Amino acid sequence: GESVGLHLPTLSVQEGDNSIINCAYSNSASDYFIWYKQESGKGPQFIIDIRSNMDKRQGQRVTVLLNKTVKHLSLQIAATQPGDSAVYFCAEKLDNFNKFYFGSGTKLNVKP
Amino acid sequence: NAGVMQNPRHLVRRRGQEARLRCSPMKGHSHVYWYRQLPEEGLKFMVYLQKENIIDESGMPKERFSAEFPKEGPSILRIQQVVRGDSAAYFCASSPQSGGVYNEQFFGPGTRLTVL
Repeated sequence: GESVGLHLPTLSVQEGDNSIINCAYSNSASDYFIWYKQESGKGPQFIIDIRSNMDKRQGQRVTVLLNKTVKHLSLQIAATQPGDSAVYFCAEKLDNFNKFYFGSGTKLNVKP
Repeated sequence: NAGVMQNPRHLVRRRGQEARLRCSPMKGHSHVYWYRQLPEEGLKFMVYLQKENIIDESGMPKERFSAEFPKEGPSILRIQQVVRGDSAAYFCASSPQSGGVYNEQFFGPGTRLTVL
């Protein structure tokens, strides 16, 4: 079964603040992780990915951190904007498999 | 370059009817994945297909559900004799043939199935 879970189901932040969304995974064999953003009524949208041989990866306003020791993944969003309001999922992919296990999601509310 | 396309976007069926969901992968992609999402939940893997082959159907119910990805045309997820519990959003994703282990999956907009 799925091994991905999230600590916070809902996160409310003020516009302009930084957001941190956390994710725990239990399968140490997972070697690839993706963060997806899903807006209401839409499909998941790729945000950023990270391989297990890395511990940090940065994109535009987003950073993903991977701590393999405690099997923890986080997504940091800098200067959060109203357009960032969505549900965020982390997904892990097991080595040699082509399916992803998704967490239950964290809803991010950005207050203006 | 068009993204993953799914149709219909919304589908209403009565109990006992059949539902057919279609997915056209991105151009150049030969791997297709189907996921199901219940309200307020994450996506659950159902099936992974390549052209004319089912690679992994471990997440798909053994009865009433089937999937195909023919040589020509879209991938089809078929649900026979639908029940109310089948009501969900069904998402299709595709990935390119190349990419080794690190295959990003691109998602379509989903089909929202409502069973009355």
